[in-house]
Amino acid sequence: DAGVIQSPRHEVTEMGQEVTLRCKPISGHNSLFWYRQTMMRGLELLIYFNNNVPIDDSGMPEDRFSAKMPNASFSTLKIQPSEPRDSAVYFCASRDRGYDYGYTFGSGTRLTVV
Amino acid sequence: DQQVKQNSPSLSVQEGRISILNCDYTNSMFDYFLWYKKYPAEGPTFLISISSIKDKNEDGRFTVFLNKSAKHLSLHIVPSQPGDSAVYFCAASAEVGGSEKLVFGKGTKLTVNP
Repeated sequence: DAGVIQSPRHEVTEMGQEVTLRCKPISGHNSLFWYRQTMMRGLELLIYFNNNVPIDDSGMPEDRFSAKMPNASFSTLKIQPSEPRDSAVYFCASRDRGYDYGYTFGSGTRLTVV
Repeated sequence: DQQVKQNSPSLSVQEGRISILNCDYTNSMFDYFLWYKKYPAEGPTFLISISSIKDKNEDGRFTVFLNKSAKHLSLHIVPSQPGDSAVYFCAASAEVGGSEKLVFGKGTKLTVNP
């Protein structure tokens, strides 16, 4: 398996633009997580899905952020409109809930909003 | 309010010696603890975990110790190798009301000098 695949690896956008981050989890994993990493706050959980259903989105910073998981093999995190303070590395992770607690992370998307 | 704290942002150790990374937590609901390792431009990778019913778990050169009364855990790496140089994240998990959260510390950057 190729692991958790995120795209793009890097994204530079202007303030006010819409940004969409993409994630393909490991096949067979039934939980998917979106994390954001910043120097100030470390790794923060934004939202997670079990069996494609959003379970907890309390970490989503505000209404500008939205996430979807239309099927078991794809998820998106959208920021509209983007702001400079959204600049961070965004990680997607997946897990086979029935196995253990070890999450598998993607390589992340480095977002820069100028 | 940081529930998982790694108070040392960095640690430098000589090759062959022991590396000890520390982590404190505040939430007594956490029942599973994990350590992740992260290289630059990559996602965190699962390293080792421990259930709250245990006080020690060992895997090769890596040992995690849990002191529940002190709400403290540590990761021991012995002997340390230059390839261990990375950022290490402590994480804690709790499932409350069907919602699970994996909460990360801010990380400790370990440098192992040859």
